[in-house]
Amino acid sequence: DTEVTQTPKHLVMGMTNKKSLKCEQHMGHRAMYWYKQKAKKPPELMFVYSYEKLSINESVPSRFSPECPNSSLLNLHLHALQPEDSALYLCASSQVRQGAAPLHFGNGTRLTVT
Amino acid sequence: GENVEQHPSTLSVQEGDSAVIKCTYSDSASNYFPWYKQELGKRPQLIIDIRSNVGEKKDQRIAVTLNKTAKHFSLHITETQPEDSAVYFCAASGNGKLIFGQGTTLQVKP
Repeated sequence: DTEVTQTPKHLVMGMTNKKSLKCEQHMGHRAMYWYKQKAKKPPELMFVYSYEKLSINESVPSRFSPECPNSSLLNLHLHALQPEDSALYLCASSQVRQGAAPLHFGNGTRLTVT
Repeated sequence: GENVEQHPSTLSVQEGDSAVIKCTYSDSASNYFPWYKQELGKRPQLIIDIRSNVGEKKDQRIAVTLNKTAKHFSLHITETQPEDSAVYFCAASGNGKLIFGQGTTLQVKP
């Protein structure tokens, strides 16, 4: 029973493909995040949305493009990725912006770039 | 910016023993310190957190202590069980961002 839902669970894409990751939460949280996690490493912050506005971009390459259509949804659009982008992509949400409230993570999308 | 160091990187204990994981942080303005448990192939899950106005917090077999002067905080797990085996991440809030430690792989041997 995950309160933050991510789709798809697994994704294999070529370097020329365009795909999107989706995330949904219905806890009324106003902050949503994308993290990237490599094996045996901590989650690495990519983007933060606060009240549906992008508030933090951790110098992520433009081949990753976030979108927050409304307070419950968060997308990550992928284009022209590299094999080193293969990782677990985690979405998270919190009541208020990061650093002040617990993060609730989704189960992640396991991305493989071939 | 904030920097969080976590030790040890791996920890192996016998079932029933206690386990202690320590983290230090650099930003004295940090005021929120959560701990996450991540089982293999699963998402990180919050197991306990503490704020800077509290020195210790306990939840059943898990406790966290915070020493603001020394800028370190620790996770204590008593009476460990095989299901406690996982990677544990500490984190500290700095400049509105949550900074994670590098993780500790805990193995509890039956």
